[in-house]
Amino acid sequence: DAGVIQSPRHEVTEMGQEVTLRCKPISGHDYLFWYRQTMMRGLELLIYFNNNVPIDDSGMPEDRFSAKMPNASFSTLKIQPSEPRDSAVYFCASTLSGARNSPLHFGNGTRLTVT
Amino acid sequence: GENVEQHPSTLSVQEGDSAVIKCTYSDSASNYFPWYKQELGKGPQLIIDIRSNVGEKKDQRIAVTLNKTAKHFSLHITETQPEDSAVYFCAASSLSGGYNKLIFGAGTRLAVHP
Repeated sequence: DAGVIQSPRHEVTEMGQEVTLRCKPISGHDYLFWYRQTMMRGLELLIYFNNNVPIDDSGMPEDRFSAKMPNASFSTLKIQPSEPRDSAVYFCASTLSGARNSPLHFGNGTRLTVT
Repeated sequence: GENVEQHPSTLSVQEGDSAVIKCTYSDSASNYFPWYKQELGKGPQLIIDIRSNVGEKKDQRIAVTLNKTAKHFSLHITETQPEDSAVYFCAASSLSGGYNKLIFGAGTRLAVHP
């Protein structure tokens, strides 16, 4: 089991540039989540998908943020245009339904720095 | 919606001592309470969880207690070791769209000194 794989591990970009974060969930998992972690706000749920369909995007901060899941093994989180306040660690997590309280498996995150 | 508060924000103990982290939640309908451990440069990992029909659960040196009436739950680590040093997060579930959406506490940074 390779776990949840995120890329890149680190991303440094200038304000105004487009940023794309990538995630490969654990094979067979049907829920995928995007979280953002900052010192000020802790772990915030941005959006989650079930069977590749976005279910709840109420945590997406602004229209500059968008997420897609074109297939069961790949998801992207895009920020366009990026701003310094978007600097954070972004985590992807996946889980398998069947038990509603199934544990989340997190990737190791992408540390984004916007200058 | 659900709100989870976690205390303390930092905790420093000597190796072999016990550590206790406490959380309170606001939504009386929440029924699932996991604890995650996050090591430097890694994502959070589930270490133990408890459901609302249980008052206490133990796994080796780790135990969790739940008081539904008071809406608080706690993590207890006994015989702490340096490798227990990490950030610990509590969470509570809030039903949304058919999945119990987790709301996390702010985290506790635990330092275990040899």
